[in-house]
Amino acid sequence: EAQVTQNPRYLITVTGKKLTVTCSQNMNHEYMSWYRQDPGLGLRQIYYSMNVEVTDKGDVPEGYKVSRKEKRNFPLILESPSPNQTSLYFCASSMTGPQRPLLYEQYFGPGTRLTVT
Amino acid sequence: QQQVKQSPQSLIVQKGGISIINCAYENTAFDYFPWYQQFPGKGPALLIAIRPDVSEKKEGRFTISFNKSAKQFSLHIMDSQPGDSATYFCAAPSPRFSGGYQKVTFGTGTKLQVIP
Repeated sequence: EAQVTQNPRYLITVTGKKLTVTCSQNMNHEYMSWYRQDPGLGLRQIYYSMNVEVTDKGDVPEGYKVSRKEKRNFPLILESPSPNQTSLYFCASSMTGPQRPLLYEQYFGPGTRLTVT
Repeated sequence: QQQVKQSPQSLIVQKGGISIINCAYENTAFDYFPWYQQFPGKGPALLIAIRPDVSEKKEGRFTISFNKSAKQFSLHIMDSQPGDSATYFCAAPSPRFSGGYQKVTFGTGTKLQVIP
């Protein structure tokens, strides 16, 4: 079954304690991305990756790190979490390529609800 | 800055009615406009998408209308059903000069409730 998996699904942590949220996809997608979802603000892109070892900032990258060492995995790292990073996080993946028009469909994971106290 | 403005924030529609959600964009480089549907406790999923070379695309009860000159696109849900109750997001990926897409900007979402 084609899917994007995230772990953990729920996490409660304290300020300053480093954490990693894992994301994995089994569709051989080049493009992967992290979003946070907050009430009234919608989905905001944190980081994205066009392929292995290629990452770039989205609209809200402060306080986050990512790495893309393998095509299927794209972990999100919070080195020193703060309460304002309490949010619902989604990982997504899609095809990409050199040609446009291109069918662009992002497949989203089930989400990780993070609470930082 | 917000490049995609979505309205309304919430919408209540009677069963059988028409639900209309609007999005306005600023960046004329956007060339692909998807709508995503999100049910509670789930990740968003692609519902329907349009390219700006057509003014309308219909899939079942869902229709996207696109107005390039006004830089607006809308989602219409005909014969709305309680099962359509969800949050809807419009989106606009920023195209790369070399092909494909990079950053993606989403609207703020519309929570739709269809009442029996």
